Amino acid sequence: EDKVVQSPLSLVVHEGDTVTLNCSYEVTNFRSLLWYKQEKKAPTFLFMLTSSGIEKKSGRLSSILDKKELSSILNITATQTGDSAIYLCAVEPPRRAQGGSEKLVFGKGTKLTVNP
Amino acid sequence: DVKVTQSSRYLVKRTGEKVFLECVQDMDHENMFWYRQDPGLGLRLIYFSYDVKMKEKGDIPEGYSVSREKKERFSLILESASTNQTSMYLCASSLWGGGNQPQHFGDGTRLSIL
Repeated sequence: EDKVVQSPLSLVVHEGDTVTLNCSYEVTNFRSLLWYKQEKKAPTFLFMLTSSGIEKKSGRLSSILDKKELSSILNITATQTGDSAIYLCAVEPPRRAQGGSEKLVFGKGTKLTVNP
Repeated sequence: DVKVTQSSRYLVKRTGEKVFLECVQDMDHENMFWYRQDPGLGLRLIYFSYDVKMKEKGDIPEGYSVSREKKERFSLILESASTNQTSMYLCASSLWGGGNQPQHFGDGTRLSIL
């Protein structure tokens, strides 16, 4: 069964700290790994990773995939209180034959709290 | 920008009622999904649909059904609501065969069954 495990489940830091969130998966030949940020409402898309070793960056957030280790990390530098959220990792298994849907397998999320 | 709209942000219903949750997307996406989100359990897929009138069970379909009569609308139905269906329900949509296109989520419906 496909599985995605995130760690830690919960993290409390102070503003300005750098954090690293982990995601490991048991999905062979997957298509992509995605990171989402969820504050009070809808999860919002952060990154999609398909190639190993290529870092994706957006402001203070960055992420990289390691297909050999079946894992990904999400880094946040110089954290701010606005970074407080649940960070979700999801993996897209191989696409089924035509007509099939492309569902994601989600981890349980990491709840990040950034204190002033 | 992709817009996924769920009809209610908060909903309170009674045990045994038939409950309808509606989701509409405006980007002509083929795929639509219903998840529930519970503390400590993460997002769990209930049902998904890859075309009009097509549906597939997700990981926890028991007690739920869905309807997709039009491409833009995907409804989740609780046939006879029970207290263990109290949860946050999230709808999402995505482009089929769209390469590097992520799922986009609605704001969620927080459903309480009394």
